Amino acid sequence: DTGVSQDPRHKITKRGQNVTFRCDPISEHNRLYWYRQTLGQGPEFLTYFQNEAQLEKSRLLSDRFSAERPKGSFSTLEIQRTEQGDSAMYLCASSSQSWLVNTGELFFGEGSRLTVL
Amino acid sequence: QKEVEQDPGPLSVPEGAIVSLNCTYSNSAFQYFMWYRQYSRKGPELLMYTYSSGNKEDGRFTAQVDKSSKYISLFIRDSQPSDSATYLCARGPDNYGQNFVFGPGTRLSVLP
Repeated sequence: DTGVSQDPRHKITKRGQNVTFRCDPISEHNRLYWYRQTLGQGPEFLTYFQNEAQLEKSRLLSDRFSAERPKGSFSTLEIQRTEQGDSAMYLCASSSQSWLVNTGELFFGEGSRLTVL
Repeated sequence: QKEVEQDPGPLSVPEGAIVSLNCTYSNSAFQYFMWYRQYSRKGPELLMYTYSSGNKEDGRFTAQVDKSSKYISLFIRDSQPSDSATYLCARGPDNYGQNFVFGPGTRLSVLP
């Protein structure tokens, strides 16, 4: 399967613990996005990478959140000192930048569902 | 005002009906618009994208953008139970940033 893969698919943790999610994008894609989605809402942008450079971060990304894409391939999203409000689906997506413009073909993974007790 | 808004539904229709899903957007500078379909507990998948105004057709699906009223529509002809999902409209990257902004989604149920 050459789609976007995310791990783990589901994480249950206690408030105050740290969690880390991993995303493996489609191999030839140079752009990688992280989104958060809560029940009944659309995905909310968190951050985006072009290759290894983190180019945009949302105001939603508090100091407890950090994302990396060290070699321009896979990415990790870490949440420190989790709070109940962090419970959500964390979606990773990738796309290929064309020299013209991004045509909107974001390919999403299945998501990592976080439950904070 | 949110950048992209849509009626969350739920919307229930009988099989074979024509479905009309709608979004509005806030900034007339936006040019790229997409429709994504999301099944329960799955990631969104791209259905169609359009640029600027006009219609785009793909099989049973037609996407329409009316820039004068800042209105985006998705029409589904001969709807099937397998079309039951949440439909998300989104606007694409622009001069303000490279992120994609999604609406809250409309939940559609097609009843057999």
